[in-house]
Amino acid sequence: EPEVTQTPSHQVTQMGQEVILRCVPISNHLYFYWYRQILGQKVEFLVSFYNNEISEKSEIFDDQFSVERPDGSNFTLKIRSTKLEDSAMYFCASSFTGTGGAGYGYTFGSGTRLTVV
Amino acid sequence: GESVGLHLPTLSVQEGDNSIINCAYSNSASDYFIWYKQESGKGPQFIIDIRSNMDKRQGQRVTVLLNKTVKHLSLQIAATQPGDSAVYFCAEKGGAQKLVFGQGTRLTINP
Repeated sequence: EPEVTQTPSHQVTQMGQEVILRCVPISNHLYFYWYRQILGQKVEFLVSFYNNEISEKSEIFDDQFSVERPDGSNFTLKIRSTKLEDSAMYFCASSFTGTGGAGYGYTFGSGTRLTVV
Repeated sequence: GESVGLHLPTLSVQEGDNSIINCAYSNSASDYFIWYKQESGKGPQFIIDIRSNMDKRQGQRVTVLLNKTVKHLSLQIAATQPGDSAVYFCAEKGGAQKLVFGQGTRLTINP
């Protein structure tokens, strides 16, 4: 079964450093997403990406964050100048269509646990 | 604002019994809902979805019920097994592409 792959599984970084979280979405999917989950809390939407541009973003996704699809297979989330409160599980997801469309198949990766110390 | 909430944070059931996990949503305009299962250390796993033009949808051992009148969603799991132990989230379509998740219910299966 196709899956979304995320690397690394765990990243520890010092406050103020930049991190890049990497994702390989399912190959024929067209929409890509990042979500985060602070420990013990619900999953929160960060950003959606389609046709090489951001299509929707949340209030959390401020100038500290950026996304990129550097090639035909990878999708990255960059967090500049990390803060302690950025510590969370970050999930990448992809889908063939937008939310609720036919052939939906919104699939999440296993996540990257980011710890900012 | 948008919010999706859950009635109970934890639920314990006996193996073999049926489980019902509930969810309330606030956006009456939502037209698409999904239940996800999340096991420890893993990402959300799609279980079943339902559109607002339906009241009920069945999958393998799972049924989702939608009551639009009271903005309530439930997930029924038949004959629960140890592998069903996880946190279950409801989510609604909150925008063009984003999902709005609820807080989650931890389901524990007792032997």
